[in-house]
Amino acid sequence: EAGVVQSPRYKIIEKKQPVAFWCNPISGHNTLYWYLQNLGQGPELLIRYENEEAVDDSQLPKDRFSAERLKGVDSTLKIQPAELGDSAVYLCASSPSKGQGAHNEQFFGPGTRLTVL
Amino acid sequence: AQKITQTQPGMFVQEKEAVTLDCTYDTSDQSYGLFWYKQPSSGEMIFLIYQGSYDEQNATEGRYSLNFQKARKSANLVISASQLGDSAMYFCAMRDGTSYGKLTFGQGTILTVHP
Repeated sequence: EAGVVQSPRYKIIEKKQPVAFWCNPISGHNTLYWYLQNLGQGPELLIRYENEEAVDDSQLPKDRFSAERLKGVDSTLKIQPAELGDSAVYLCASSPSKGQGAHNEQFFGPGTRLTVL
Repeated sequence: AQKITQTQPGMFVQEKEAVTLDCTYDTSDQSYGLFWYKQPSSGEMIFLIYQGSYDEQNATEGRYSLNFQKARKSANLVISASQLGDSAMYFCAMRDGTSYGKLTFGQGTILTVHP
């Protein structure tokens, strides 16, 4: 079974430029998460989707960040414009819907490491 | 609000020995789940073990076991017979019953296994 796929793995941009990250979850997983991980810290949730609906976006900085999951499968996270402080790893995770799976654990992708110069 | 505390920034262990990674949590919920993830240098978070708040027995998964002390709000990870490949960052995380799906992570502990 294929895991969570993310691209690109690395991205270097200059400040004020836009950037987008793509995530394809594990097949059949209806719940998708985007996390932000700063260096030396644990991940923090940005947004959670149930199918195509964003059910928790309270931690997403909506002035510059946006996300979509139009068909309830893959998802895109965008930053426009990027700031120096956005340099971090952006992790995507997926899990079966509530009530499915042994513990509903989240399966993570390898992440996208963003560097803003 | 939930909070996870990992007080050990770094730990060292000799190959084949056991090591305990500490985790304490804070929540006002009665129903919650506790997770441990491993993050090697490649960056991917790997699920290791789960403990539910109502589980009476400590969880075990191969060489991993969770020392769950509910009254003390601690959920320490025990790795037995350490291997060189266990060298990685380890995160404790909690999912509470009112925010299904959201994981709150601790700061992590870097484990280094010496040959």
